[in-house]
Amino acid sequence: ETGVTQSPTHLIKTRGQQVTLRCSSQSGHNTVSWYQQALGQGPQFIFQYYREEENGRGNFPPRFSGLQFPNYSSELNVNALELDDSALYLCASSLVEGTDTQYFGPGTRLTVL
Amino acid sequence: RKEVEQDPGPFNVPEGATVAFNCTYSNSASQSFFWYRQDCRKEPKLLMSVYSSGNEDGRFTAQLNRASQYISLLIRDSKLSDSATYLCVVNSVSGGSYIPTFGRGTSLIVHP
Repeated sequence: ETGVTQSPTHLIKTRGQQVTLRCSSQSGHNTVSWYQQALGQGPQFIFQYYREEENGRGNFPPRFSGLQFPNYSSELNVNALELDDSALYLCASSLVEGTDTQYFGPGTRLTVL
Repeated sequence: RKEVEQDPGPFNVPEGATVAFNCTYSNSASQSFFWYRQDCRKEPKLLMSVYSSGNEDGRFTAQLNRASQYISLLIRDSKLSDSATYLCVVNSVSGGSYIPTFGRGTSLIVHP
């Protein structure tokens, strides 16, 4: 096991609602990244946090936001949910950014109706 | 052109076969490269990093060709348990931060 946990495992929301997904990184890992993985696609990078500050962002709109806390936990918030937001959301922690190995959590499967 | 491209497959091979996957990338300034394995409905797990000099881990060999901008993964003596999706990851720098880009993955099916 990677030591990275995510909650909840599954979630069903309706269009327009807001959702918060949670991740607990490996102890000592200062970097957490969030990804969206649609069926049949590779993970798409949403953003990365290092020591509680966002330090990298992919091509996702501002309604995708995040937080990282000192206790190695983090959150992904998505506002105004759209049908296309239905996907597997993965968080991954690493000791340092960039060239380091990423350890993925099991993911949260979000369905937007 | 996509930043990172992989043939989605599936590659359908018998046990014991040798199979190779390629992954091309468009950003010539990309910094680091990895192969991950993802089993059905599971999270990706690191298979191996990819170095310019090439690296080997048991039956698996990874190569990087910076001139042609691709990385490769070779699996020798395929096992049934190698059946999975293989994702390449390319890290580039944008605005001072590393941006990881995954390919869509290549599906491998090893049959008896």
